[in-house]
Amino acid sequence: QVQLVESGGGLVKPGGSLRLSCAASGFTFSDFYMSWVRQAPGKGLEWVSYISRDGSTVYYADSAKGRFTISRDNAKNSLYLQLDSLRTEDTAVYYCARQTQTRAAEIDYWGQGTLVTVSS
Amino acid sequence: QLVVTQSPSASASLGASVKLTCTLSSGHSNYAIAWHQQQPEKGPRFLMKLNSDGSHTKGDGIPDRFSGSSSGAERYLTISSLQSEDEADYYCQTWGTDVVFGGGTKLTVL
Repeated sequence: QVQLVESGGGLVKPGGSLRLSCAASGFTFSDFYMSWVRQAPGKGLEWVSYISRDGSTVYYADSAKGRFTISRDNAKNSLYLQLDSLRTEDTAVYYCARQTQTRAAEIDYWGQGTLVTVSS
Repeated sequence: QLVVTQSPSASASLGASVKLTCTLSSGHSNYAIAWHQQQPEKGPRFLMKLNSDGSHTKGDGIPDRFSGSSSGAERYLTISSLQSEDEADYYCQTWGTDVVFGGGTKLTVL
């Protein structure tokens, strides 16, 4: 069955960096667009970024542009999100999510999330 | 600008039915959406993809009690025979160049 397992979250100071990872299994990872979605405490879901199947196309929410970098390693069935210049408002649970094979469309599987806390 | 709007809250009685609404912004009435459920303290779960013609494709293991329909720019999620575990936040999601989420509807089962 499809599994997405995030890791790499933790406590970091403002201005710091963190790298999130997502290990995928149960499907052909290289066939699917992938996204990161976050959820601040007590708030709704916010899309952060997506990446195409071969990694050649990436898109970011305005809140992530210039600070976050999405990437993937299809040989390792892994998705990554590099978080730089972190702010307190980046505190959230970060979810890895699978989209479709043809475009960044509906999300059909979610990971369990990893918590990032930005605080001094 | 592509936006989806949801009512913040809804409630219905155990065993009854409820219809949640997601409204697409002007000029986007032909867009498909996806519905997701998030139970308390859990990650989201995909319920279905819902097209503008009302056709829908459900996720793995989603009960028949969950169905979708469309009218113009409105996309609906109907849950029948409400159970206590249906008490959750429900999000609609759509996409263009970006991916967009609605603010979510908190469903209370009375």
